[in-house]
Amino acid sequence: DIVMTQSPDSLAVSLGERATINCKSSQSVLYNSNKKNYLAWYQQKPGQPPKLIFYWASTRESGVPDRFSGSGSGTDFTLTISSLQAEDVAVYYCQQYYSTPRLTFGGGTKVEIK
Amino acid sequence: QVQLVESGGGVVQPGRSLRLSCAASGFTFSSYGMHWVRQAPGKGLEWVAVISYDGGKKFSTDSVTGRFTISRDNSKSTLYLQMNSLRAEDTAVYYCAKDFGYDSGTYLTHWGQGTLVTVSS
Repeated sequence: DIVMTQSPDSLAVSLGERATINCKSSQSVLYNSNKKNYLAWYQQKPGQPPKLIFYWASTRESGVPDRFSGSGSGTDFTLTISSLQAEDVAVYYCQQYYSTPRLTFGGGTKVEIK
Repeated sequence: QVQLVESGGGVVQPGRSLRLSCAASGFTFSSYGMHWVRQAPGKGLEWVAVISYDGGKKFSTDSVTGRFTISRDNSKSTLYLQMNSLRAEDTAVYYCAKDFGYDSGTYLTHWGQGTLVTVSS
């Protein structure tokens, strides 16, 4: 199985400041035939189920604010919140779907307000 | 809009069985792959099982293979997870989730609220 490793485990950022979350896969999730990265990001707020925020590594799901961005390719990916808002407090997970059907998630990164 | 409502969770003794259900609405259930994903208390997400749109393909994570069975009834727009020989480490919130595609696994576009399974004597 592809192992997904996120860093840091948690981070505290001041309101309006940038938050950066990293996700590394144990093997490339870039499919050469279509040049797509088979990686998704989810946001899980306290007491709620996860919510899809990015797929194909950088395609923002409808309704997700543009202060969120996804980037990276191959084995290294980043989720960035350009200006942290109070409603962004959550745990963020990356997930690969390259080695379907065995989907794997990263361990999660908890984002808090400093 | 898409709705996924899980039911069937509860407290069960080790070694016993439980069946979870997930009632779907707001989309053409028979056209999409469906998953179960679990989350142990205070822990991260763990993919459990997937079933293709027509039930023809089923896959599960190694730790539940042979104990858990995923199935679906497209006439009832309902997803199931039959869980046998339950262990303490199966204690978790179980989410059903809709796949983007029809086959056996991409990204998960919608999630239910989850149902808690507690395995304890």
